[in-house]
Amino acid sequence: DTEVTQTPKHLVMGMTNKKSLKCEQHMGHRAMYWYKQKAKKPPELMFVYSYEKLSINESVPSRFSPECPNSSLLNLHLHALQPEDSALYLCASSFDRAVEKLFFGSGTQLSVL
Amino acid sequence: AQRVTQPEKLLSVFKGAPVELKCNYSYSGSPELFWYVQYSRQRLQLLLRHISRESIKGFTADLNKGETSFHLKKPFAQEEDSAMYYCALAYGQNFVFGPGTRLSVLP
Repeated sequence: DTEVTQTPKHLVMGMTNKKSLKCEQHMGHRAMYWYKQKAKKPPELMFVYSYEKLSINESVPSRFSPECPNSSLLNLHLHALQPEDSALYLCASSFDRAVEKLFFGSGTQLSVL
Repeated sequence: AQRVTQPEKLLSVFKGAPVELKCNYSYSGSPELFWYVQYSRQRLQLLLRHISRESIKGFTADLNKGETSFHLKKPFAQEEDSAMYYCALAYGQNFVFGPGTRLSVLP
């Protein structure tokens, strides 16, 4: 299995909702990433987990809360989001460090109403 | 600060013509550079990385440290090369993407 799987593919939520995005990989990768991609823009790094520990948080607002329950799973918990948070959220993984090849999921298209 | 620039938002070429997508970077250490591609309705995928010279679909890129460039080249463009191309720089566990260039290969 050489894929990164993200669920759901699409999500619509209100500003008072709580939701979670999920990401899974079974390639034995020990680094996992969350990126945010707005339309016609490049992906922007949000969080990096290395060996299940948060190693990078790119000054992301606290309404985004990452979680890495085990080496195969990565979650992004969402609470009290704003309409400007609407974007494609991409998960990626790599064997160890970012210098390794990144494998990307197909993303969750999030709309905040 | 570490940055990646791609000066062209859109590049159009005819099928069979050579292609060069430009990428410049700013980084004080030894750069680890990549090209990623996103075809329509597909996920981002690695096209080429400098460290291993891994490449697909006939693309090549040469690192020029003097000019801090990592331009992507292909001698003969194909229609299926039409896609969004991102140059990227990895340092530590950061992975920074350039703004991207949309390549359109015309028949």
